[in-house]
Amino acid sequence: DGGITQSPKYLFRKEGQNVTLSCEQNLNHDAMYWYRQDPGQGLRLIYYSQIVNDFQKGDIAEGYSVSREKKESFPLTVTSAQKNPTAFYLCASSRPRDRDGWIGNQPQHFGDGTRLSIL
Amino acid sequence: DAKTTQPPSMDCAEGRAANLPCNHSTISGNEYVYWYRQIHSQGPQYIIHGLKNNETNEMASLIITEDRKSSTLILPHATLRDTAVYYCIVKKYSGGGADGLTFGKGTHLIIQP
Repeated sequence: DGGITQSPKYLFRKEGQNVTLSCEQNLNHDAMYWYRQDPGQGLRLIYYSQIVNDFQKGDIAEGYSVSREKKESFPLTVTSAQKNPTAFYLCASSRPRDRDGWIGNQPQHFGDGTRLSIL
Repeated sequence: DAKTTQPPSMDCAEGRAANLPCNHSTISGNEYVYWYRQIHSQGPQYIIHGLKNNETNEMASLIITEDRKSSTLILPHATLRDTAVYYCIVKKYSGGGADGLTFGKGTHLIIQP
């Protein structure tokens, strides 16, 4: 089945450690996104990537880093500089391009998230 | 992107139609209305989107007022599995690519047996 796979489902981090969250999609989507969700709140954008080898900061990028070396993969690293990393992290993808260029209204599709906690 | 306003919570009886309102009075002409829902501890699920005309798919119907300042998501025969937080999002694309969605707090829809 096509979809977005996030792993692991639960992740624990010690103070001062970097951790990397995985996001893989087999939907052949060009754009990928990372969001953070805190309890009782909506999602906030961390980083997004429109195409391989390119990515842009979202609203809350400080303390996070990403890479986009392959179309299928968009890993997120939560660095020790992120002071409050405990949250629910969601990855999404969309297909805003076709052979004629960008498609403006395609919806985003989400994975089932990774819940990160600090030990 | 235009801001949206939704009621924080709603109840609906199982088997009845659930009508979820969304106000987006500052919407501009090239902004789409999107609806997502999130069941507890899962990722958001795309439901439907539209620009001007009413839209229907296998999950729901979207009714957009003629002035586009508000919309209603309709779940025609609500089931207990429809209990979730529903997000109304207004989004435009400049043609230069894709960026993120802005999620508010949404409406917590509770389907009562």
